[in-house]
Amino acid sequence: EDQVTQSPEALRLQEGESSSLNCSYTVSGLRGLFWYRQDPGKGPEFLFTLYSAGEEKEKERLKATLTKKESFLHITAPKPEDSATYLCAVETGANNLFFGTGTRLTVIP
Amino acid sequence: KAGVTQTPRYLIKTRGQQVTLSCSPISGHRSVSWYQQTPGQGLQFLFEYFSETQRNKGNFPGRFSGRQFSNSRSEMNVSTLELGDSALYLCASSLAGGVTDTQYFGPGTRLTVL
Repeated sequence: EDQVTQSPEALRLQEGESSSLNCSYTVSGLRGLFWYRQDPGKGPEFLFTLYSAGEEKEKERLKATLTKKESFLHITAPKPEDSATYLCAVETGANNLFFGTGTRLTVIP
Repeated sequence: KAGVTQTPRYLIKTRGQQVTLSCSPISGHRSVSWYQQTPGQGLQFLFEYFSETQRNKGNFPGRFSGRQFSNSRSEMNVSTLELGDSALYLCASSLAGGVTDTQYFGPGTRLTVL
């Protein structure tokens, strides 16, 4: 069964304290893995797409990496404005899209 | 450039009623996808429309339906509402859909079924 699991469910960091969010997946054929950021009361905002194992992408304090079974979203020296829910989604070979339930990140000043 | 807009933003209905939600994509985008977001299940894909045709469909009952107009605007309809249909319904648009195409989400419609 196709499945996407994100951990931890919630994460509290001090400002400047780097950490990683995990997205593990078991799907039949990976076409792409997506990371989104969602602020309360808003729709998800696209961050990255990764297509194959070994691929990495960076944007400001965020870096996404992909292996054959999981993806990590590394947050370096986070700021309070990085507080949000981070969602991971996987598109399968059957053109189905599965989302994880997200990691709620809180960065404390 | 205007983003994806969804109307209404909030809606309260009672069980058994039906509801229609509207989504206007970013100008030039031809693919519109709909999602249901709940605290327990997270984001779940409902369906995708491209050039007025349903191109992909998630695992939802037939009470959930949609359509797309020639100007790419899309509507989603839920008939015979159930309490479990209470959720945030999100619409996303992209140029042509597919894995290489970035999706842009609207703010969502918060549906409450009483």
